[in-house]
Amino acid sequence: DTGVSQDPRHKITKRGQNVTFRCDPISEHNRLYWYRQTLGQGPEFLTYFQNEAQLEKSRLLSDRFSAERPKGSFSTLEIQRTEQGDSAMYLCASSGGTGGNSPLHFGNGTRLTVT
Amino acid sequence: AQKVTQAQTEISVVEKEDVTLDCVYETRDTTYYLFWYKQPPSGELVFLIRRNSFDEQNEISGRYSWNFQKSTSSFNFTITASQVVDSAVYFCALSGGAFSGGYNKLIFGAGTRLAVHP
Repeated sequence: DTGVSQDPRHKITKRGQNVTFRCDPISEHNRLYWYRQTLGQGPEFLTYFQNEAQLEKSRLLSDRFSAERPKGSFSTLEIQRTEQGDSAMYLCASSGGTGGNSPLHFGNGTRLTVT
Repeated sequence: AQKVTQAQTEISVVEKEDVTLDCVYETRDTTYYLFWYKQPPSGELVFLIRRNSFDEQNEISGRYSWNFQKSTSSFNFTITASQVVDSAVYFCALSGGAFSGGYNKLIFGAGTRLAVHP
């Protein structure tokens, strides 16, 4: 169990640029989640996958955000035309089991700064 | 509305003191789950405990203990004999049924930052 890994750890970009983050979940976990965390707040749900299927998306996930999980393995989160309000920590988590209430295992996150 | 409130923004204690972190939740679901996570400075959220709404027994794990009271919608977390390594942000979270957005979505509180000084 090598844990959930996210890449990059930090990303600084200029407003209007596109960015892509990667998440590698724990290998046997079929569920993968993306959360966003702003300073001083708890994480907020963005989206989740069961295997390769994206089953739910938050209203927070505007049209500029897209997530994929090809082949049910790693996942990418892309933000197009970044805005300063997108600056946050983007957290990926995975879980196993059949129940949605299984504990989530989080990665260290990708901190995005939009200048 | 489904929400989790952690009224204590920051707590500062001296090592070996006991400290309790409060968590109050709101939900219309009858079946739900409550969680506590620890976020050390490295940023990774670490799972500590999960409780379902039908199990009100308190739980103890080493220096950690949890008190779940449905009557007051609270799920408080106590660290006994705190240590410097306990310094972190602690989050309480809720997942539930239709009213809470589904069991696949965690609703987090804003967190309590605990600083344990030597």
